[in-house]
Amino acid sequence: DTGVSQDPRHKITKRGQNVTFRCDPISEHNRLYWYRQTLGQGPEFLTYFQNEAQLEKSRLLSDRFSAERPKGSFSTLEIQRTEQGDSAMYLCASLPGQGHQVNTEAFFGQGTRLTVV
Amino acid sequence: GQNIDQPTEMTATEGAIVQINCTYQTSGFNGLFWYQQHAGEAPTFLSYNVLDGLEEKGRFSSFLSRSKGYSYLLLKELQMKDSASYLCAVLSWGGFKTIFGAGTRLFVKA
Repeated sequence: DTGVSQDPRHKITKRGQNVTFRCDPISEHNRLYWYRQTLGQGPEFLTYFQNEAQLEKSRLLSDRFSAERPKGSFSTLEIQRTEQGDSAMYLCASLPGQGHQVNTEAFFGQGTRLTVV
Repeated sequence: GQNIDQPTEMTATEGAIVQINCTYQTSGFNGLFWYQQHAGEAPTFLSYNVLDGLEEKGRFSSFLSRSKGYSYLLLKELQMKDSASYLCAVLSWGGFKTIFGAGTRLFVKA
């Protein structure tokens, strides 16, 4: 499978715990997005990486959220001190090319479904 | 503010044509995407428009009017497998943030 892969697919955690998700993009893709999606809503932008640089981050993202892409390949999204409102599907998407090439499609992973109890 | 509006749900008959509308108000514009998302699955790319006019790709076409902040996705010869959510998304100018609408759930009935 050469698509975008995310791990884990499902995560149940207790409120207050920290969680970390991983995204492995398509290997030649420089660009990577994280989104959050709740039931009945479209994906909500969280952050964007071009190679290892985090170029944009949503102002909606609280200090409890952090993302990294240390070598410009896989990326991690960490949520600290989880809250019930963090329950959602977390989607990763990768794209080829550089930032100015905007008309390319994003390839989404299957997502990580987080449930905070 | 930034806002993307789509109808919540639509129902159409197999073999028919359906048009899903999207209106947007965003701070800057660098193109509009349509994605299809089946329940429990990841979104998949359908189309991209940055200039006014109609882009046709098989049974799917997408139209854009930048002056009106309006787009539509046209699905022809509907099939049962077209039952899904259709997401309209706008890419902001000068940035990389993609804003998605809530999606339109399309039900195709026999």
